[in-house]
Amino acid sequence: ETGVTQSPTHLIKTRGQQVTLRCSSQSGHNTVSWYQQALGQGPQFIFQYYREEENGRGNFPPRFSGLQFPNYSSELNVNALELDDSALYLCASSRGGEQFFGPGTRLTVL
Amino acid sequence: AQKITQTQPGMFVQEKEAVTLDCTYDTSDQSYGLFWYKQPSSGEMIFLIYQGSYDEQNATEGRYSLNFQKARKSANLVISASQLGDSAMYFCAMREGERTGGFKTIFGAGTRLFVKA
Repeated sequence: ETGVTQSPTHLIKTRGQQVTLRCSSQSGHNTVSWYQQALGQGPQFIFQYYREEENGRGNFPPRFSGLQFPNYSSELNVNALELDDSALYLCASSRGGEQFFGPGTRLTVL
Repeated sequence: AQKITQTQPGMFVQEKEAVTLDCTYDTSDQSYGLFWYKQPSSGEMIFLIYQGSYDEQNATEGRYSLNFQKARKSANLVISASQLGDSAMYFCAMREGERTGGFKTIFGAGTRLFVKA
């Protein structure tokens, strides 16, 4: 158990819809990162939040957006869902050198 | 451009033997961090070990050690005394961006390890 939780566990949406995924960081961790992992591939970095500000972003379009709250929990929002957005979405919380992942949210877009 | 390369798609090791999983990286940052993760078939990403670019000693965590060769830009994971439960996908990752202020973490393609009884 890493102390990082994500909700929901699974989600099914249709193309064009919007989705919000949630992540609670491990106690004491002030940085949250989000990743997309397609089947059979390594995780792809979406963005990172530190003290409620985005301080790093990967090659994802603006329809992927996020928030971090004062308690360091975070949300990932994806608008205008596409079929290729189907993946496991992982969040990770960190402080310094440690980075621990949550169990992920499996998103299926039909 | 930053890049992580894991050249071994699959590896086999006999139970109780040691195994080395290769990882090379490319970055122009002076300050960066290197990670190894284990991902079993259940899907969770398990943190194994971390090495900072300024750490002079190789990181160790139990049966895991990271063979960090900065000049060669390699960060190989050594697992000693392999166990059947070590069978999983292993990912090498690098976090950089302290120089630019925009952090980014990239992962390699992974190595699938099979431990034989």
